[in-house]
Amino acid sequence: GAGVSQSPSNKVTEKGKDVELRCDPISGHTALYWYRQSLGQGLEFLIYFQGNSAPDKSGLPSDRFSAERTGGSVSTLTIQRTQQEDSAVYLCASSLGAANTEAFFGQGTRLTVV
Amino acid sequence: KQEVTQIPAALSVPEGENLVLNCSFTDSAIYNLQWFRQDPGKGLTSLLLIQSSQREQTSGRLNASLDKSSGRSTLYIAASQPGDSATYLCAVSRSGGAQKLVFGQGTRLTINP
Repeated sequence: GAGVSQSPSNKVTEKGKDVELRCDPISGHTALYWYRQSLGQGLEFLIYFQGNSAPDKSGLPSDRFSAERTGGSVSTLTIQRTQQEDSAVYLCASSLGAANTEAFFGQGTRLTVV
Repeated sequence: KQEVTQIPAALSVPEGENLVLNCSFTDSAIYNLQWFRQDPGKGLTSLLLIQSSQREQTSGRLNASLDKSSGRSTLYIAASQPGDSATYLCAVSRSGGAQKLVFGQGTRLTINP
């Protein structure tokens, strides 16, 4: 596609429910990243994919968070048993390669846990 | 641990002025530095990418410089316009690893007509 696409753009869920957030990177980009933007916390790294593997998961805040990528393309970030502190904007980015290449971001998914 | 600081946190100037946004980072072992703008409720738009071996990059009215040794970057905006109003974020990626970006808190810029 022309840019990084994320869906849904907004998601309201009840505490304790599971949610799935989707990212469709720019075609041909092998690297994919998830970030989270919270009020007062700025932007924080969650996980990085190179192809379908995730060599860096160091930013995932707890084992309730997981992500996968299939076919070297679409990625899904799953949050289980959501908590109110999970409320944030989740941003996905992609780049041509792993290092020294420009990162392009999607519009984000605003998650609200009530 | 890499830390990125942006000063000022907010800036309001009249239209037409030239302005400078500052970014500093604590660890000079970076791959590159990237400047983004973020409009309210939107994602990030990449403005400029400076490789670690470069000193500056230019795109239209924007010029970004990088001084790795002192851990600083500046974003210069010439002849500011109301459409430049947004939050500007700088981010660095560390060398030796993936493009894991560490972001500053941003500078909220308002250009007054």
